[in-house]
Amino acid sequence: RKEVEQDPGPFNVPEGATVAFNCTYSNSASQSFFWYRQDCRKEPKLLMSVYSSGNEDGRFTAQLNRASQYISLLIRDSKLSDSATYLCVVSRSGGYNKLIFGAGTRLAVHP
Amino acid sequence: DADVTQTPRNRITKTGKRIMLECSQTKGHDRMYWYRQDPGLGLRLIYYSFDVKDINKGEISDGYSVSRQAQAKFSLSLESAIPNQTALYFCATSGGGPNSPLHFGNGTRLTVT
Repeated sequence: RKEVEQDPGPFNVPEGATVAFNCTYSNSASQSFFWYRQDCRKEPKLLMSVYSSGNEDGRFTAQLNRASQYISLLIRDSKLSDSATYLCVVSRSGGYNKLIFGAGTRLAVHP
Repeated sequence: DADVTQTPRNRITKTGKRIMLECSQTKGHDRMYWYRQDPGLGLRLIYYSFDVKDINKGEISDGYSVSRQAQAKFSLSLESAIPNQTALYFCATSGGGPNSPLHFGNGTRLTVT
């Protein structure tokens, strides 16, 4: 079983839709959580960190559920430019040498 | 100009050849990393360095070596390339804070035939 699991998708949604991705992690000692965005054939870029109380950045909301060991990303009012692969990233011990990347969930937003 | 620059962008090489991938950064970060990305798998850490004299193995270091020539430069070598090292390779840097993001280079697509 992978330490960080994501549904690979693709999620095909129309512009304006709300879409949510989940990511599960197996190590209960995991401490830090992030969502990265990766455009096709490009480098990953940090989208947002995920805090215990949940956090929002514009149209993006991230939630953490430690009891069930999953994090989620909600995107409201999807734009064509949101089309990308979203990587769930979990840190085993809070250090960047212990980051575990999920394989990513692909989102395709269509007109 | 990109803050984290990788060269070459693409490379095709033959089995058994030695090749070097280079990474340089202008962000002033002490921490540098090499990852590889394969289809259907997450990025996996090959090597990392927190300072010029500091080199550490990641989860998949076999078949690779690195050199941290200066704070701004971190190169990855494949001593004798094999086909299963065909992948997309990323260099990354980070600052020291607990939530400091990783800043990735634009990647090197390596094909070993």
